[in-house]
Amino acid sequence: QKEVEQNSGPLSVPEGAIASLNCTYSDRVSQSFFWYRQYSGKSPELIMSIYSNGDKEDGRFTAQLNKASQYVSLLIRDSQPSDSATYLCAVRFDQAGTALIFGKGTTLSVSS
Amino acid sequence: DTEVTQTPKHLVMGMTNKKSLKCEQHMGHRAMYWYKQKAKKPPELMFVYSYEKLSINESVPSRFSPECPNSSLLNLHLHALQPEDSALYLCASSQWDGNNQPQHFGDGTRLSIL
Repeated sequence: QKEVEQNSGPLSVPEGAIASLNCTYSDRVSQSFFWYRQYSGKSPELIMSIYSNGDKEDGRFTAQLNKASQYVSLLIRDSQPSDSATYLCAVRFDQAGTALIFGKGTTLSVSS
Repeated sequence: DTEVTQTPKHLVMGMTNKKSLKCEQHMGHRAMYWYKQKAKKPPELMFVYSYEKLSINESVPSRFSPECPNSSLLNLHLHALQPEDSALYLCASSQWDGNNQPQHFGDGTRLSIL
């Protein structure tokens, strides 16, 4: 059973703080990992992808991957109220072209 | 604006109606997907097409019928739907080759069944 686990939250942080979102997955051979942001009533928007162990930074976002621990995280620095959304962790378990398995998402609320 | 275009954005239909959802992408992607998303739930995979051929059907009821007329277009034909089929229907596309290709989503069609 391929599973992706996330804390549903809500995760509440004050404006300017670092928000830390976590995700674990069940299959050790998983290859590709993605973070999507979804505002209420909107479609998922890709914000980060990571494939190798370590950190990957893009602006205020840092994705961290630890394949040995089957763990991927997303850090959002200098959080803004506009970052308030649901963050979906998605994992591709098999060969290219197969669908993503999504976690249930973590709701982030950034207060001003 | 997204590079995957879905129409219509909203659809209300009765249980006896027949309608179609449309999805179009011009990114040269050879894999296209249909997902269903209920409120406060993650997207659930319905169908995957690769090179215009159906490669995955996640045991979706036959009242949902996908079609891929060419590499840029994906349709979802709806017939005799049930109220529980009301949801956001998302189309996505990606490159097929290579493990590290992200999926890009359209804005979705919000479907309501009366």
